[in-house]
Amino acid sequence: AQKVTQAQTEISVVEKEDVTLDCVYETRDTTYYLFWYKQPPSGELVFLIRRNSFDEQNEISGRYSWNFQKSTSSFNFTITASQVVDSAVYFCALSESRAGKSTFGDGTTLTVKP
Amino acid sequence: EAQVTQNPRYLITVTGKKLTVTCSQNMNHEYMSWYRQDPGLGLRQIYYSMNVEVTDKGDVPEGYKVSRKEKRNFPLILESPSPNQTSLYFCASSPGGTGELFFGEGSRLTVL
Repeated sequence: AQKVTQAQTEISVVEKEDVTLDCVYETRDTTYYLFWYKQPPSGELVFLIRRNSFDEQNEISGRYSWNFQKSTSSFNFTITASQVVDSAVYFCALSESRAGKSTFGDGTTLTVKP
Repeated sequence: EAQVTQNPRYLITVTGKKLTVTCSQNMNHEYMSWYRQDPGLGLRQIYYSMNVEVTDKGDVPEGYKVSRKEKRNFPLILESPSPNQTSLYFCASSPGGTGELFFGEGSRLTVL
């Protein structure tokens, strides 16, 4: 069975601070896919990134970066120089190679204060 | 505009009164899925469909039914709603079962 753990329920930072959201996953598959989604206060769910298990290269997109480490089964998300607009709930998710089933973490609520 | 459309967006109903939440996507995606979101529990998968006439259970299928008669539509059916089905429901679609999910705006359901 697959499992995703986001140990940080809530994080509060002041604007311009860097913040890292942790994600640890469990799966028996050797082929799997990891995702991050953002849910701002307006409620919609927005895709941020997808990574497959064979691609451990870290990714940077503007102020966002992701660190994928298979050795520790982690897929952490860092926001550099946080802004108030980054305030949202962030979900980490896992899909195994048996396409269809997906598992989400419980989410981390990030509050960025001005 | 590429989108996933859910209806109704808000619904208050009573225990036992059958209801259907519709979901439609205009992106020709093969994969569709339903999730419920409850405080502190993240999103939990209810049912998913890899293609027309192909559906499978997610992690919390009890009390729900789905059908996939057409590629674009994937309705969620609550035959006899109960208060523990009060939740925020999201429909999603994807080009494939392991791809990026495109979500609808959500349907907030309250069962009294």
